Amino acid sequence: GQQLNQSPQSMFIQEGEDVSMNCTSSSIFNTWLWYKQEPGEGPVLLIALYKAGELTSNGRLTAQFGITRKDSFLNISASIPSDVGIYFCAGRETSGSRLTFGEGTQLTVNP
Amino acid sequence: DAGITQSPRHKVTETGTPVTLRCHQTENHRYMYWYRQDPGHGLRLIHYSYGVKDTDKGEVSDGYSVSRSKTEDFLLTLESATSSQTSVYFCAISGTRGDYGYTFGSGTRLTVV
Repeated sequence: GQQLNQSPQSMFIQEGEDVSMNCTSSSIFNTWLWYKQEPGEGPVLLIALYKAGELTSNGRLTAQFGITRKDSFLNISASIPSDVGIYFCAGRETSGSRLTFGEGTQLTVNP
Repeated sequence: DAGITQSPRHKVTETGTPVTLRCHQTENHRYMYWYRQDPGHGLRLIHYSYGVKDTDKGEVSDGYSVSRSKTEDFLLTLESATSSQTSVYFCAISGTRGDYGYTFGSGTRLTVV
């Protein structure tokens, strides 16, 4: 089935640093989503993107729908300790019947 | 007001025993999904449902069965639990095919000893 390549797999950063992560697919998507999962909880939707080139922010988080429609990016500015968690990308192909998830980026923020 | 609840939250069971996990929703959503999450593998789809009595297999369905007799409930059964099924299981719901995302439950941590 469809695979999403999410990178990096893990990041260890200092508080205050900016973070970037991305997802790529081998086929065209018409929806890209970014989730955050905190320890002991299920993933929670952060940002949803629906148009190529779209740039959407949610506080210190900004995500972009790549213009090729085969990738998406998530940036976190001025990281804080509560940003710790696993970030997942997800997307739906044009003809797809459900979402495909990336394998996640584990983010650790050192105070 | 969670909209989706999973039970139990934690369970320890012995190899070879049957286990049923329950997902209950109050959102009247059409689509429901069962995932397992293991280190290094992200979220892997086990089974999903697109309506009452309508279910289909995901990528890791071997050893699992599901039932959906009511809109609000989606049950995942491990017919004969094995240690490889030790995992965290998440249920998710959606009113569409996913364009507005899935809402996830808080998970069930299952340990098979």
